[in-house]
Amino acid sequence: EAGVAQSPRYKIIEKRQSVAFWCNPISGHATLYWYQQILGQGPKLLIQFQNNGVVDDSQLPKDRFSAERLKGVDSTLKIQPAKLEDSAVYLCASSSGGASTDTQYFGPGTRLTVL
Amino acid sequence: DQQVKQNSPSLSVQEGRISILNCDYTNSMFDYFLWYKKYPAEGPTFLISISSIKDKNEDGRFTVFLNKSAKHLSLHIVPSQPGDSAVYFCAAKKYGNKLVFGAGTILRVKS
Repeated sequence: EAGVAQSPRYKIIEKRQSVAFWCNPISGHATLYWYQQILGQGPKLLIQFQNNGVVDDSQLPKDRFSAERLKGVDSTLKIQPAKLEDSAVYLCASSSGGASTDTQYFGPGTRLTVL
Repeated sequence: DQQVKQNSPSLSVQEGRISILNCDYTNSMFDYFLWYKKYPAEGPTFLISISSIKDKNEDGRFTVFLNKSAKHLSLHIVPSQPGDSAVYFCAAKKYGNKLVFGAGTILRVKS
């Protein structure tokens, strides 16, 4: 079974530029998550999708971050414009459902550096 | 507001000995607790979990203990192996599957 795929793996941009990340979840997984992991901290949930609907985006900085999950499969996360404090690893995860006991499977992440 | 805290940034253990990683939480609404393991340049991988109705769960060399009155959980690895060297994240779930992570503990197992 293929795992969660993410691209690119690394990205370096200058502040005020735009950037987009892509995620392909495990086949058949209805729930998709985007996390931000700042160095020295644990991952923080940015947004959760159930199929192509948003379940939780309470911690997504909506003035600059946006995410979509078209057709309930792949997802993109965009930052426009980027700030220095956006430097982090962006992790995508998926699970089969939304129950408490559903295991979340993580992709390798995209390391973003904002200069 | 750190709802899940891992107060030890790092831990060093000799191969074959027990590793004990600790985690404290503040939110009594959490109903499910997990440990994830992360190697460099990889995403976190699920290790073991425990429901709030239990106080112990065991899977091979890994055991998680939950003390609800103290809002504390711990992960025991016995015996520790060099391949266990990684960052270990404690995480907790509220109803609705929102995971809240601690900052992680770097475990180094010396051979």
